[in-house]
Amino acid sequence: IAGITQAPTSQILAAGRRMTLRCTQDMRHNAMYWYRQDLGLGLRLIHYSNTAGTTGKGEVPDGYSVSRANTDDFPLTLASAVPSQTSVYFCASSNGGGSYNEQFFGPGTRLTVL
Amino acid sequence: GQNIDQPTEMTATEGAIVQINCTYQTSGFNGLFWYQQHAGEAPTFLSYNVLDGLEEKGRFSSFLSRSKGYSYLLLKELQMKDSASYLCAPLDSNYQLIWGAGTKLIIKP
Repeated sequence: IAGITQAPTSQILAAGRRMTLRCTQDMRHNAMYWYRQDLGLGLRLIHYSNTAGTTGKGEVPDGYSVSRANTDDFPLTLASAVPSQTSVYFCASSNGGGSYNEQFFGPGTRLTVL
Repeated sequence: GQNIDQPTEMTATEGAIVQINCTYQTSGFNGLFWYQQHAGEAPTFLSYNVLDGLEEKGRFSSFLSRSKGYSYLLLKELQMKDSASYLCAPLDSNYQLIWGAGTKLIIKP
């Protein structure tokens, strides 16, 4: 079934630890995105990639890094987790380009940093 | 700056009609999306408007006025399963979605 998957579903992490959230899509979409969603706030863009081999910073990139080695995968790494990074993380993808840019979302990763 | 304003919460009755408003200020504009998000789940696409006017899709319709920076989502014949958050998201000049905090819609029998 075509779609976008994320792993893990949830994770409890000690502060200071390194963590990589995985995201894979099989829709051959060019663009991919990482968002965080916190209560009372809209989705906030962390990083994005318009095409394989390129990445860009979103609204809240500090403390996070991404890579886009191929079309399908877009991992998000927290080099040294802090409690303020406790959130629900969504990966999304789209065909990108032009004005119609419907994004398809993965199921999310619920991350708790203690 | 960029700003999205929508009501935090609304309540409606099963079978009724509800209108969820959204006003926005963005750097440039390339259309506006509405997404639905059930609690604990990912957002899913509902509608996209790029020209002024009303777009109808079954029980859901979306309206856009670019000159007023205003959109609304109209839900008819409400069902219990429509209880969810509704996210307004205009597309800015860089083709990035700017997300509102969402409107939590509660449907009562």
